[in-house]
Amino acid sequence: ETGVTQSPTHLIKTRGQQVTLRCSSQSGHNTVSWYQQALGQGPQFIFQYYREEENGRGNFPPRFSGLQFPNYSSELNVNALELDDSALYLCASSLGGGKVEQYFGPGTRLTVT
Amino acid sequence: GDSVTQMEGPVTLSEEAFLTINCTYTATGYPSLFWYVQYPGEGLQLLLKATKADDKGSNKGFEATYRKETTSFHLEKGSVQVSDSAVYFCALTSGGSQGNLIFGKGTKLSVKP
Repeated sequence: ETGVTQSPTHLIKTRGQQVTLRCSSQSGHNTVSWYQQALGQGPQFIFQYYREEENGRGNFPPRFSGLQFPNYSSELNVNALELDDSALYLCASSLGGGKVEQYFGPGTRLTVT
Repeated sequence: GDSVTQMEGPVTLSEEAFLTINCTYTATGYPSLFWYVQYPGEGLQLLLKATKADDKGSNKGFEATYRKETTSFHLEKGSVQVSDSAVYFCALTSGGSQGNLIFGKGTKLSVKP
């Protein structure tokens, strides 16, 4: 059974640029959630995708957007990068929403300069 | 809104010492409660969970009991090891169709030999 994978591992971007982060869900999981973890903080929920549809969103602006593909992998896109977007971005997969367990990938470290 | 509060770190212990990390929560309804662990440079790993009042979650010598009357889910381990050094996050999910996780700020544990 393959776990959750994310790419790239690290990324450095300049303010104003756009970035795409990728996540492959654990085998058999149909739901992907994205979280932002600033340095020294707990992860904050960005949004969730269930069967290719957005299924809930946290308090993040529209320049944070996403996609989920038929194989349940997912992308997180961030436009017009700001310095405060520098963080560890975590993807978690699960089998459905609700109170089920979520399994996290290793994360993508984004640095915006 | 729902929230999680956990004790400030860092916590430094000697090997074989007793560990307690306090966690309290505020939630409407009946949340599920989780402890996640994050080792240096890695993503989050689910350590244990409890889904209803008085449930005890346990794993790898760690335990936590869901206390509805005190809205708490304190993490304990009788004898810590150097390999337990990590950041520990308490989290809840209040259900609904998405069940996004709400995390505390994390408690860094350092265990000295």
